[in-house]
Parts: sequence; C-alpha cells; structure tokens
Amino acid sequence: DGGITQSPKYLFRKEGQNVTLSCEQNLNHDAMYWYRQDPGQGLRLIYYSQIVNDFQKGDIAEGYSVSREKKESFPLTVTSAQKNPTAFYLCASSIGTAPTKDTGELFFGEGSRLTVL
Amino acid sequence: AQSVTQLDSQVPVFEEAPVELRCNYSSSVSVYLFWYVQYPNQGLQLLLKYLSGSTLVKGINGFEAEFNKSQTSFHLRKPSVHISDTAEYFCAVSAPTGRRALTFGSGTRLQVQP
Repeated sequence: DGGITQSPKYLFRKEGQNVTLSCEQNLNHDAMYWYRQDPGQGLRLIYYSQIVNDFQKGDIAEGYSVSREKKESFPLTVTSAQKNPTAFYLCASSIGTAPTKDTGELFFGEGSRLTVL
Repeated sequence: AQSVTQLDSQVPVFEEAPVELRCNYSSSVSVYLFWYVQYPNQGLQLLLKYLSGSTLVKGINGFEAEFNKSQTSFHLRKPSVHISDTAEYFCAVSAPTGRRALTFGSGTRLQVQP
C-alpha cells in the first residue's frame, strides 16, 4: 500500500534534548511538508520541500530543522531552541513540481505526538 | 497570501440531523479549496475538494460542499449525520501559483449525540 509512515507515534523528551521525527513516503511525490498541530490552532506549516536537496521555511520554522537527502524521506529535528515543542506533528506529501498537476492536495501520515517532560 | 476562517470551533448536533460547517477564505487570486477530517490521534483524510467547474462538490461519507465565490465561502454539509461522523473538520486553501502548501483553518469539532 502506498502511503506516508511517521515514527515514532509517541515520543517523550527531556528539556534541552534534540529529537528527530521520521517521515517516509512511497507515493513517489516530489513535495513534502511538516505541520504542527495544537488544540484550537489548526495546522501550522513548519518546513516544506518541493524537491530533493531543497527546502523552505514555513510560518513557524524557529527551533526546527529538516533535511531532504532522498525523495522518500523528510526528517524533522526539534531542537532545544524550540520553546514549546509539546505538540502533534504531521508529515504530508503532494505531487509537487508540475504546477499544472499539483493542486496542493496533501496526503498525510498518522502523526507523531511529542511530549516534553 | 491566503487565509481561512472556520466560524465555529464546536458544533453539537443530534444523530440523523442535518449539519453545516462554515468556512470562509481570503485570497487575492483564484484558489483551490479542501475539506479534511481528522479522527482522534490520527492524520487527516481528504473529504472533498473544489478545483474548478461545478460549484457543488460531493465527497466521501455523504458530505458535500458548495463554493460561493461572491461570498468567498466553502461550507460543508451533510443531510443526516451519524455518531461515526464525530471528528475534527478542517477547511484548507491553496493557490495555483506561489507557495503551494495548504493553509488551514483552526478546525471545527463536530460532536454527534445520540
């Protein structure tokens, strides 16, 4: 089955630690995204990547970092600089590249819930 | 840039009653519009989308939405809800050019009561 796999599903972190959330897709999509979800605030864009070896900051990139070394993978690192990292993180992908084909429709993973102790 | 406003944070409704979840958007260019559903601790699933053409769009699970350009709205409706429709619903918008990432509303929690 084609889809997006996020791991781990639940993660606990002590203050001051960096953590990396994994996101893998086998949909052959060019574009990948990371969103953060907090109660009552909807989804906010952290980073996105429209092609391998390239990525752009979203609306709330401070305290986060990403890499896109392979088409299938887009890991997100939550650094110790992120002041309030406890949240639900969602990875998504879209067709990307060809504007005439890509409507922006996103396909989502199941999410990773990060709790800072 | 685009923005989305979902006017109701929570909508309680009795089973088998009709429901409407409201969504308004703001954009200086033409847009694509989406409704997604999220069940607890899960990712988002596409319900329906408007790209062009007929302004009445039908989706999965008996939902439909109507695009109204003059009112910049894209309200979601279902004529008869089930307990299983209890979930969070998100309206989202993207533009054909520029940043392609979807912009989401803050969500509406639909609570279906027996």
